[in-house]
Amino acid sequence: GAGVSQSPSNKVTEKGKDVELRCDPISGHTALYWYRQSLGQGLEFLIYFQGNSAPDKSGLPSDRFSAERTGGSVSTLTIQRTQQEDSAVYLCASSLGYEGETQYFGPGTRLLVL
Amino acid sequence: AQSVAQPEDQVNVAEGNPLTVKCTYSVSGNPYLFWYVQYPNRGLQFLLKYITGDNLVKGSYGFEAEFNKSQTSFHLKKPSALVSDSALYFCAVKNNNNDMRFGAGTRLTVKP
Repeated sequence: GAGVSQSPSNKVTEKGKDVELRCDPISGHTALYWYRQSLGQGLEFLIYFQGNSAPDKSGLPSDRFSAERTGGSVSTLTIQRTQQEDSAVYLCASSLGYEGETQYFGPGTRLLVL
Repeated sequence: AQSVAQPEDQVNVAEGNPLTVKCTYSVSGNPYLFWYVQYPNRGLQFLLKYITGDNLVKGSYGFEAEFNKSQTSFHLKKPSALVSDSALYFCAVKNNNNDMRFGAGTRLTVKP
């Protein structure tokens, strides 16, 4: 079946512009996660959605970052007034939401802020 | 909140030798532990996980990991390394609330 998909695969933007990154999780997965990976670095947790519960936003680095998940499926990560330090690969993952369930990752969106 | 430590940024081994990539964790409640691999310019791929039961977990590509509760460790191992195993390896821990955290990653280089 289809895996996690993300769009766009690459995004180049100018400093100060807003960007939206999209994630389509695996159908039926109730849990959705966003991470950020800077060049050659580890994964930085950003935000976690689980069903209809309030999302865990504890990883968002600033108030320029926000995310929504509509209808319990597709999620959009929005970065306002982008800065050069926002350049990274943004990864989305989803899982069934049960304890111990495996997360499956999308290919990521590579964001470059000039 | 849970956390994961991968004490080695880089591990180098010769092809055919055994390899170990270390991971220790901190979590309240039962730990669910994972290993993922990331090949160059590729997404993260699931290798194996520990949920409950046997402390030795076998996964993809001949990898295995041993859960050690007293040492709060979940080291990744392989008896005989291949050059194609060279990649970035991430350990992760999930708590009862399904909240997942990753380690900083360990770059494994296997030399011929």
